[in-house]
Amino acid sequence: DQQVKQNSPSLSVQEGRISILNCDYTNSMFDYFLWYKKYPAEGPTFLISISSIKDKNEDGRFTVFLNKSAKHLSLHIVPSQPGDSAVYFCALTPPDYQLIWGAGTKLIIKP
Amino acid sequence: DARVTQTPRHKVTEMGQEVTMRCQPILGHNTVFWYRQTMMQGLELLAYFRNRAPLDDSGMPKDRFSAEMPDATLATLKIQPSEPRDSAVYFCASGLVLFETGVNSPLHFGNGTRLTVT
Repeated sequence: DQQVKQNSPSLSVQEGRISILNCDYTNSMFDYFLWYKKYPAEGPTFLISISSIKDKNEDGRFTVFLNKSAKHLSLHIVPSQPGDSAVYFCALTPPDYQLIWGAGTKLIIKP
Repeated sequence: DARVTQTPRHKVTEMGQEVTMRCQPILGHNTVFWYRQTMMQGLELLAYFRNRAPLDDSGMPKDRFSAEMPDATLATLKIQPSEPRDSAVYFCASGLVLFETGVNSPLHFGNGTRLTVT
């Protein structure tokens, strides 16, 4: 029973356009939501987060949106750059801080 | 720039051998995780420590895997005996959880140990 789903294994976007990565979850107890980015042969690195009391958080080119009623989280990257090509994981945490991870979406930015 | 350090980066071993992976969490972090990433799956939680005490190791095959934190600067993950299906990248991550304030830091990951069991 997957509590967190990233339904798109991969996504290809033109450089300069918007990339939208999605994540759906089932448990309404999650209260903190994070996005991580992973390059090959490296560990995931933290990108951006949002708490359940907000519906939007922005950091430069990255914006995370949270729709609690739909149990849906999305990451927008605009404009997309070649260095954004990576695997993106959403991770959700209930109050005990044990992260539940999505399976990842591979983002490919085309020149 | 503080970071989580994992050793070795690569390990190739034969089936049946013991494998030990090491992790040095970021100084001051009180929470340590071990994850495994296989080819087709996302990050699979193996074990989870807070203040060096194991909180959850339900993701680990108990008969062959063991995780310990002998001190605050070292976490270990052992596999004995290793099997080909254990081949994966093993990640350690650390973070700071402050229940009093409800403030949690995002996890910081090491670069992983790529294990190949032949």
